[in-house]
Amino acid sequence: AAGVIQSPRHLIKEKRETATLKCYPIPRHDTVYWYQQGPGQDPQFLISFYEKMQSDKGSIPDRFSAQQFSDYHSELNMSSLELGDSALYFCASSLGDTGETQYFGPGTRLLVL
Amino acid sequence: LAKTTQPISMDSYEGQEVNITCSHNNIATNDYITWYQQFPSQGPRFIIQGYKTKVTNEVASLFIPADRKSSTLSLPRVSLSDTAVYYCLVGFTGGGNKLTFGTGTQLKVEL
Repeated sequence: AAGVIQSPRHLIKEKRETATLKCYPIPRHDTVYWYQQGPGQDPQFLISFYEKMQSDKGSIPDRFSAQQFSDYHSELNMSSLELGDSALYFCASSLGDTGETQYFGPGTRLLVL
Repeated sequence: LAKTTQPISMDSYEGQEVNITCSHNNIATNDYITWYQQFPSQGPRFIIQGYKTKVTNEVASLFIPADRKSSTLSLPRVSLSDTAVYYCLVGFTGGGNKLTFGTGTQLKVEL
């Protein structure tokens, strides 16, 4: 079965640069979630979108923004990168935003130097 | 969101049954209990979800007592490949579906 696709899988950036992470949800899924997992930490919710509208917001820095497009894929834009942004970024998708199971992608590992 | 408490770590041997208990004293009426498994550097993987009593699927069972203040994930006959972090999550299913991960349980399975 098709899974959540994330690209790139690995990304190296320098401080103050920008990065764009992409997420392609499971076909027919209309809800996308972004999570950040720092080294040795538990995943932390950043933001979610349902039917192309932001549905919930967590601990996402103001330097980050995200959107969901008409084909339901989502992009997380990160600017003025800091060393502390180095982490695994996971995208998850679900069909609906009312408690349906979330399926996670393989993640993007971002390293900020 | 209800806070959850799990053991930080557990050790087991191949072939044994492993039971991981999660406490969630403040669980709300609408909350479901969901367990995820995570291997290093991989995305969490859904294992099982339940509301009350017992739920079983091909990989695990979930036991929830009547008061729902705790739940137990049961993994039958674990193998080395079950070594992972297991997260218990409690959340409302009526909207605002973000998952709040607490500190999971690191299960280590040995020969």
